[in-house]
Amino acid sequence: QQQVKQSPQSLIVQKGGISIINCAYENTAFDYFPWYQQFPGKGPALLIAIRPDVSEKKEGRFTISFNKSAKQFSLHIMDSQPGDSATYFCAASPPNAGGTSYGKLTFGQGTILTVHP
Amino acid sequence: EPEVTQTPSHQVTQMGQEVILRCVPISNHLYFYWYRQILGQKVEFLVSFYNNEISEKSEIFDDQFSVERPDGSNFTLKIRSTKLEDSAMYFCASSEARPHTGELFFGEGSRLTVL
Repeated sequence: QQQVKQSPQSLIVQKGGISIINCAYENTAFDYFPWYQQFPGKGPALLIAIRPDVSEKKEGRFTISFNKSAKQFSLHIMDSQPGDSATYFCAASPPNAGGTSYGKLTFGQGTILTVHP
Repeated sequence: EPEVTQTPSHQVTQMGQEVILRCVPISNHLYFYWYRQILGQKVEFLVSFYNNEISEKSEIFDDQFSVERPDGSNFTLKIRSTKLEDSAMYFCASSEARPHTGELFFGEGSRLTVL
């Protein structure tokens, strides 16, 4: 019940295209849904995050779509650029009861995105 | 820009040896975490730490693991007797206390290879 399932495992898009990565979760207690971006040799870095009280959040070229009833959320990268080539992880965490719960992230398996010039 | 720093970047050890991985969290952060990533697999939560004690730990974090904040800046992960399956990238992370926005700042990781 703690799993977060992510797809696809890898994705290749052309420069200027739209990259879409999907995640599904099982635990309805999850309350915070971030996306992390990881470049080779680096730690994950927060890209964008959403809470279940909204269905969409946009920051620049990055958009999270959230479907609470389906327990799914997705990342859309518009106008994908070669510099976006990285591994993307969706994640989820329970409510911030006790102070550190937001940091107890359950990660998806990751999607390796390659954007060709 | 403040960052989480980890040392060593890579450590090779023999099975059964003790290993200490070190982290310097961002200075005004009060919540600290360790995660690990086995090669090709997802990032997994190990432990969270606040106010000098463990807040939560996963089933991975058994008696072989311990964490400590020995001074005002370092946060360490000790593996008492390493096993082959402990080979992984270990990430330290920290986050702000007030408000807890949910954003974790990760270090670049310490790669542990157990032979």
